[in-house]
Amino acid sequence: DSGVTQTPKHLITATGQRVTLRCSPRSGDLSVYWYQQSLDQGLQFLIHYYNGEERAKGNILERFSAQQFPDLHSELNLSSLELGDSALYFCASTLGLAGVTDTQYFGPGTRLTVL
Amino acid sequence: AQTVTQSQPEMSVQEAETVTLSCTYDTSESDYYLFWYKQPPSRQMILVIRQEAYKQQNATENRFSVNFQKAAKSFSLKISDSQLGDAAMYFCAYRPGSSNTGKLIFGQGTTLQVKP
Repeated sequence: DSGVTQTPKHLITATGQRVTLRCSPRSGDLSVYWYQQSLDQGLQFLIHYYNGEERAKGNILERFSAQQFPDLHSELNLSSLELGDSALYFCASTLGLAGVTDTQYFGPGTRLTVL
Repeated sequence: AQTVTQSQPEMSVQEAETVTLSCTYDTSESDYYLFWYKQPPSRQMILVIRQEAYKQQNATENRFSVNFQKAAKSFSLKISDSQLGDAAMYFCAYRPGSSNTGKLIFGQGTTLQVKP
């Protein structure tokens, strides 16, 4: 158990809908990273938050947005869902920003299926 | 842009034998970190081993060790005394060192089969 929790574990929804994925980092960790794992794109970095502020963006679609709250949990919002958004979404957390000891520990992921 | 390449989509090894998974990367930076993550059928991403680019000594974690060749930009993972529980997909990952983000850039993954 990495100490990172994600809810829900599975999500099935229809095209055009909007969903919210939630991540709680390990106790004390300030950074949260979101990744998408799909069959055709592999594992891709989406976005990084540190202590409530956005720090880096990767290949994140405009239909997707994220935020990190004062209690440090993070939410990834996916809207106007398309079939191609079906994927496993991971979050990972680290204590700091990008320090020597900042190894990312991953949550169990949320499996999103868009029908 | 940095890229990570794993050229072996699938590998297999006999139980108790040794196997090496390959990874190459491309970067113009001198300061960075490299990782191997394991993803078993449960889909959980598990850290196997990490290497700091400024360290010449190869990292070792029990039966797992790396061969880090900085000039060649190569970072292979050796699994000794392979066990059935080692069967999984393995991802090589790169993390920039001098940056305000620790985002990981992953390779495509190598599926390892362990035969009894």
